[in-house]
Parts: sequence; structure tokens; C-alpha cells
Amino acid sequence: DQQVKQNSPSLSVQEGRISILNCDYTNSMFDYFLWYKKYPAEGPTFLISISSIKDKNEDGRFTVFLNKSAKHLSLHIVPSQPGDSAVYFCAASGTGGTSYGKLTFGQGTILTVHP
Amino acid sequence: DGGITQSPKYLFRKEGQNVTLSCEQNLNHDAMYWYRQDPGQGLRLIYYSQIVNDFQKGDIAEGYSVSREKKESFPLTVTSAQKNPTAFYLCASSIPDRMNTEAFFGQGTRLTVV
Repeated sequence: DQQVKQNSPSLSVQEGRISILNCDYTNSMFDYFLWYKKYPAEGPTFLISISSIKDKNEDGRFTVFLNKSAKHLSLHIVPSQPGDSAVYFCAASGTGGTSYGKLTFGQGTILTVHP
Repeated sequence: DGGITQSPKYLFRKEGQNVTLSCEQNLNHDAMYWYRQDPGQGLRLIYYSQIVNDFQKGDIAEGYSVSREKKESFPLTVTSAQKNPTAFYLCASSIPDRMNTEAFFGQGTRLTVV
């Protein structure tokens, strides 16, 4: 039972354009959402997060949008740079029930930014 | 510098042998986690511990065991009962009693069964 889904395995974008990575979740107990970036053979690094009380959080070139009614979030990267090429994981956690204290990850999306 | 250290980076095991992966953190975090990454499947939770001397099974605990005798350490043993142990293993830590906090990851251990 995949509670966090990233339905696009890969995304290819031209440098300078916008990258939009999508994530859907099914568990209504999730109230905190994160995006991680991962390079091959390395651990994921935290990128940006959003609480369920917000619908948008921005940090420089990165913006995360949350649509609670649709159980959907997205990560926008503007402008995209070749150094952004990596695997991006969406993750979720909750403060109650079985989701407390642990992160549930999506399958990841491979982003490639072409010069 | 504070952080999480996993060792070794690469590990080879013969079929039928148990192997232990090390994870140490000096971030003073109470919670620690073990994840497994396989191609196209993202990160799946094996075990987690929110406090010393206590741990819970994650989504794919079969064939694995852990201990949490010290706050700083959370070793993972891959036993011979694990049917497909070849994978990239990631350890993480966080502060569980703080809401809205991210987990910090180590650099991972690539385990290959030969």
C-alpha cells in the first residue's frame, strides 16, 4: 500500500525553465510534508518542507505547494539549473496514529536539467 | 562537526552470512531509522527507534534485526533470512518530540551479496 506516490519516474527540463515535481498521498493523518534531493550513492539531503496549515512555502528557487483537499503537493524549481539534476523524493509524516515519528517516502523522480 | 556516520560505504557478503551495518550520530537525536533503497522503489522503512532500548518494525522488517543500547548508535543486522539483501541502506535520525522536523541521513552503505 503506497501511501505516498510520485507517479512520474523522470522529468527532463531545459536550463532556466521551471521544473515541477508532483506527489500524491492517501493517508489523511499526514500533516507535514518534505522534499529531499538525492545524488547517486549518497544519502538524501533535506530541501524544503511544508506544514498542513499552509498551502505554500518558498525558499529561494524552491517553492512547495500543498493542496490538502486533493491530497497533492508539488515542488517548483525556478529557474532550473544543471546542478539540480538528481532524484527528488517526496516524504510525509504525521503527529498521530501509525504515521507518528516516521517519514513515508515516495518512489522518487529523476530530474535532469539540460544546459 | 555534527552528523550521521554509516560504515562501511561498501560491503560484500556471502549468501547465508549475517552482516551488521553501523550507524552513529552525534546530533543528540532521540529517534533513529533504517531505510532501504531499491531502484524504482524509493526508500522503505525497515526499523525505527524513538528512544534508547526501544524500537519498532517498519514496513519491511523481515530478515533484519536492530538494537538501540546507546542514543548515538543504531546498528542494523541483515540476517541470512533476508531473501534479497542486495540494496543501498540508509540510516537517519531526527528529534521525534519536535513537530515539523526533518530527518538527517547518513551517506549510506551499499550491500552486495556475492
